[in-house]
Amino acid sequence: AQRVTQPEKLLSVFKGAPVELKCNYSYSGSPELFWYVQYSRQRLQLLLRHISRESIKGFTADLNKGETSFHLKKPFAQEEDSAMYYCALGDPVFGKGTRLSVIA
Amino acid sequence: KAGVTQTPRYLIKTRGQQVTLSCSPISGHRSVSWYQQTPGQGLQFLFEYFSETQRNKGNFPGRFSGRQFSNSRSEMNVSTLELGDSALYLCASSSSGEETQYFGPGTRLLVL
Repeated sequence: AQRVTQPEKLLSVFKGAPVELKCNYSYSGSPELFWYVQYSRQRLQLLLRHISRESIKGFTADLNKGETSFHLKKPFAQEEDSAMYYCALGDPVFGKGTRLSVIA
Repeated sequence: KAGVTQTPRYLIKTRGQQVTLSCSPISGHRSVSWYQQTPGQGLQFLFEYFSETQRNKGNFPGRFSGRQFSNSRSEMNVSTLELGDSALYLCASSSSGEETQYFGPGTRLLVL
């Protein structure tokens, strides 16, 4: 069965510190993975997808098939990065989300 | 282009009632997907419609149903409402379902 696990419900970091939002997946085939972000009082929006291998707003995510992970990273967190982040797989199946709080 | 719109934005119902939510996709988009967002379960996929046909379905009971019209507008219906149906219901549209989805603001349903 397809499953996405985001182990942290809440992650707090200081401004300028590196950020890593963890995502692990369970899928037998070749996965299609996404990160979505929802800022306060805004719509859910696609942040990035693994097939495009792009960097959006300084965030990157690398698919590690050996570890079945798709962690979201940013070297220097900004206050405006505070939001809810969802990792999603395939059909889609969503993780429960991680709330990122960047402290000034 | 106008974004995805959903009506109503807020809704209060009582147990046992039924509810219909509406979603108007971005002009030209033919795929509409519905999601349920709750604090406990997070985002869960309900179903996807493409060209008036249900193309994909999540793991929800038959009380949840939907349809899509020829103009790509979609409705979602929940019958015999339960307290646990209280959630934010999100609609998303895309050109064909394979590209980026654009989400609406959601309809917040409260079941009392």
